[in-house]
Amino acid sequence: GNSVTQMEGPVTLSEEAFLTINCTYTATGYPSLFWYVQYPGEGLQLLLKATKADDKGSNKGFEATYRKETTSFHLEKGSVQVSDSAVYFCALSDLDSGAGSYQLTFGKGTKLSVIP
Amino acid sequence: DTGVSQDPRHKITKRGQNVTFRCDPISEHNRLYWYRQTLGQGPEFLTYFQNEAQLEKSRLLSDRFSAERPKGSFSTLEIQRTEQGDSAMYLCASSLEGATYEQYFGPGTRLTVT
Repeated sequence: GNSVTQMEGPVTLSEEAFLTINCTYTATGYPSLFWYVQYPGEGLQLLLKATKADDKGSNKGFEATYRKETTSFHLEKGSVQVSDSAVYFCALSDLDSGAGSYQLTFGKGTKLSVIP
Repeated sequence: DTGVSQDPRHKITKRGQNVTFRCDPISEHNRLYWYRQTLGQGPEFLTYFQNEAQLEKSRLLSDRFSAERPKGSFSTLEIQRTEQGDSAMYLCASSLEGATYEQYFGPGTRLTVT
């Protein structure tokens, strides 16, 4: 079956520090990969995505590269801000062999706190 | 485009009662998903509709749970005889067809069973 493993949190960084949140996956097929973010009191928002090997997704200064050889999709940002404080979820979408669902499989989430 | 909406946002119920949640997807999206998120965990897939057809159900969806999507528009998720273990955030998402089409999530309905 499919699974996503991401680094345990919480992660606390000072403003302008470099961020890496590790994510590795197991999939039966050739998945699309996503990072979602959940700000306090809000719903899940798509942060970035990549659909094939070596694709780099990027948004709001965040980046992640689809590494098929290491089955990884690590999230990085060069300089975090207080407003980046949120929970980050790595997820994959794979064609289910049954009904054609592209259901998402999520990691457990990593809580990031950025202090001034 | 007003995004995915869910109603209610919060529901507190007593054990044994039935509850129903509603999800209104983005209007042109033909795919609709329900997920459940418990504290400290990522969302877990419950069920999926393509238009009005419910095509996939997770083993997490016990026979106390039922979902519908009449006419392929809004969807409802009903939980009968609620248990304390049903307390969670219930998320709805919609998308266009295809693995590369991202799912857009609603704000969720937080259920507390006392």
